[in-house]
Amino acid sequence: AQSVTQPDIHITVSEGASLELRCNYSYGATPYLFWYVQSPGQGLQLLLKYFSGDTLVQGIKGFEAEFKRSQSSFNLRKPSVHWSDAAEYFCAVGAPSGSARQLTFGSGTQLTVLP
Amino acid sequence: EAGVAQSPRYKIIEKRQSVAFWCNPISGHATLYWYQQILGQGPKLLIQFQNNGVVDDSQLPKDRFSAERLKGVDSTLKIQPAKLEDSAVYLCASSLGGSRWQAFNSPLHFGNGTRLTVT
Repeated sequence: AQSVTQPDIHITVSEGASLELRCNYSYGATPYLFWYVQSPGQGLQLLLKYFSGDTLVQGIKGFEAEFKRSQSSFNLRKPSVHWSDAAEYFCAVGAPSGSARQLTFGSGTQLTVLP
Repeated sequence: EAGVAQSPRYKIIEKRQSVAFWCNPISGHATLYWYQQILGQGPKLLIQFQNNGVVDDSQLPKDRFSAERLKGVDSTLKIQPAKLEDSAVYLCASSLGGSRWQAFNSPLHFGNGTRLTVT
């Protein structure tokens, strides 16, 4: 079964600073990987996804993520954080072989942005 | 387009009571999901419907949870009787996903969730 680890429960950065959120996955085959963001009191919104091809994927709101098979990682990055980026971020891995869409989410990283 | 609608937004009940949540997906979305998100954890899939058929309910506690999607549109999730550990946010999501590939390639659209507190 697939699993996702987000080692950082909480990260604090200053506005304008760069950001990297870590994600490690466990899955036997090539994974489907996703990053979602959740603002307080709201549902999750897809930031970006990786299925195959170029290992550096671009998403919405200026985010990007890099798939590194050798490290089983899919870290999320942003060069300059805005105050509106404060939210909780979830990495997820999908199992493409099942008949259902089996998305497994990590436990999330809470991002605080200082003015 | 209108998003995924869920009601109620909040619900407080005592243990052993029953509760029901309602979800209206985005129009035309064939696939509907119910997730449970316990505080401090990521969402966990409870059940997935494709149209009005169940595709995956392997993580649904069937002794107390039930869900249906009549006519392949709206869905209700019921808990009877509730336990303290059922306190969580219940998220509904939908996607276009018809085929198995589409189910993964089309993004999930989440509702704002129902926060359940069991006392």
